[in-house]
Amino acid sequence: GENVEQHPSTLSVQEGDSAVIKCTYSDSASNYFPWYKQELGKGPQLIIDIRSNVGEKKDQRIAVTLNKTAKHFSLHITETQPEDSAVYFCASKEPGNTPLVFGKGTRLSVIA
Amino acid sequence: NAGVTQTPKFRILKIGQSMTLQCTQDMNHNYMYWYRQDPGMGLKLIYYSVGAGITDKGEVPNGYNVSRSTTEDFPLRLELAAPSQTSVYFCASSRPGQGSPEAFFGQGTRLTVV
Repeated sequence: GENVEQHPSTLSVQEGDSAVIKCTYSDSASNYFPWYKQELGKGPQLIIDIRSNVGEKKDQRIAVTLNKTAKHFSLHITETQPEDSAVYFCASKEPGNTPLVFGKGTRLSVIA
Repeated sequence: NAGVTQTPKFRILKIGQSMTLQCTQDMNHNYMYWYRQDPGMGLKLIYYSVGAGITDKGEVPNGYNVSRSTTEDFPLRLELAAPSQTSVYFCASSRPGQGSPEAFFGQGTRLTVV
C-alpha cells in the first residue's frame, strides 16, 4: 500500500520568511495530493491540493509543487504570519476505492 | 451545511467500558473514515467505508468496530476500553468518485480511558 513520508517534523521561521514542507510517496499510481492545516483543538482543514496532471498550483501565499518522477510534493508558504502557526499534514491517494494516506505532520511555528 | 458532525466532543471512560462515537455528514459523501491522533502524532486510519454496507480495516483496527447502514452515519464502537485507546478521534468524509476527493473532517472527540 501507499506510504507517505513528511519532513521536517518541526519547523520554526521568522515572520515574513518562507516555509517549505516536503513529502514523498511510494505508489507511482497515486494521483491526488492534498495538504491540510490543523489548528490547536480543531480538525484538519484542506488548504490546497494538486492532482497528478499538474506540476504546480498557487493560492495567494501558499503553493504546492509536484514532481511525479521523483514522487515528491512540497508545500510552500511565503510571507509567513503568526496565524500560519499550526500542524500541517500532507496526504496522497491512489486511484480506486482507497483511503487518503497521511504523512506524520509538521508543526510550523512562525515567530513574530 | 453542517458538514461532518461528531458527538460527543469529550468523554472519560473507565477501563473495560464500552461506547459509541457518533459521526454524521450531510454532504452526501460516499466515503467516510475514522482516524485517531495521539498527542503530538499524526493521523492513523482505524476504519473506512466507501459506501453504505461496506467497511474496511485501516492501519489500527484492533479494539474497534464500525457499521455503515446509511450514507450519512458512520459510528465507531469501542468495546472493552483500554488506556491505549486514549486519543483524539476524527471522522472524515469525501466523495472521490465525483471529482471531489478532498476529505472534510469533524471537530474531533477527545477520549480518555482511565
